[in-house]
Amino acid sequence: DAGITQSPRHKVTETGTPVTLRCHQTENHRYMYWYRQDPGHGLRLIHYSYGVKDTDKGEVSDGYSVSRSKTEDFLLTLESATSSQTSVYFCAISESAGELYGYTFGSGTRLTVV
Amino acid sequence: GESVGLHLPTLSVQEGDNSIINCAYSNSASDYFIWYKQESGKGPQFIIDIRSNMDKRQGQRVTVLLNKTVKHLSLQIAATQPGDSAVYFCAETRGSGNTPLVFGKGTRLSVIA
Repeated sequence: DAGITQSPRHKVTETGTPVTLRCHQTENHRYMYWYRQDPGHGLRLIHYSYGVKDTDKGEVSDGYSVSRSKTEDFLLTLESATSSQTSVYFCAISESAGELYGYTFGSGTRLTVV
Repeated sequence: GESVGLHLPTLSVQEGDNSIINCAYSNSASDYFIWYKQESGKGPQFIIDIRSNMDKRQGQRVTVLLNKTVKHLSLQIAATQPGDSAVYFCAETRGSGNTPLVFGKGTRLSVIA
């Protein structure tokens, strides 16, 4: 979507290696989110940020960390990737939490851990 | 059109018929609801939203109905087209405060030409 980009789009990595996914926005929105999407589970929140250096955990945060040193960038790190973290990861942004037409999503990153 | 049970993940509809996609939400404190459409290989896209002080809202070819008594949300698509084929998600939140959206598991809509 315009104004939000995720990188990389696809990645294959080995079990035990660190991985960082990047979300970049040009909308100057306050809120940024990382979700993972798996068959049968829909979209589940990993972490979110409500400002620079302000982050909080979602329902599936174990094994993930995030950082937001600038308004425009929100990084998701898998410290030691496991096969259970094979998923499609979506970043989203919003001006306010939940309201005002909800979130704008990126195109996703497909991560495969082998 | 064809109604689906709350837990049926797929819906097949003839082109031109109306579609009804259902969603149950769990949090009685939720007061803002959104429907998203996700096409293959893309991120979810906003379709329509509704606040808890309303029970119906209409958009272009889409209508969202909210029944707070039974915590049920539905999305109606009129004159379903092949381009409507996608996975549809409902999402809920409390509209005030710092509460992220919680998404349902989704329903796949397939339009039969």
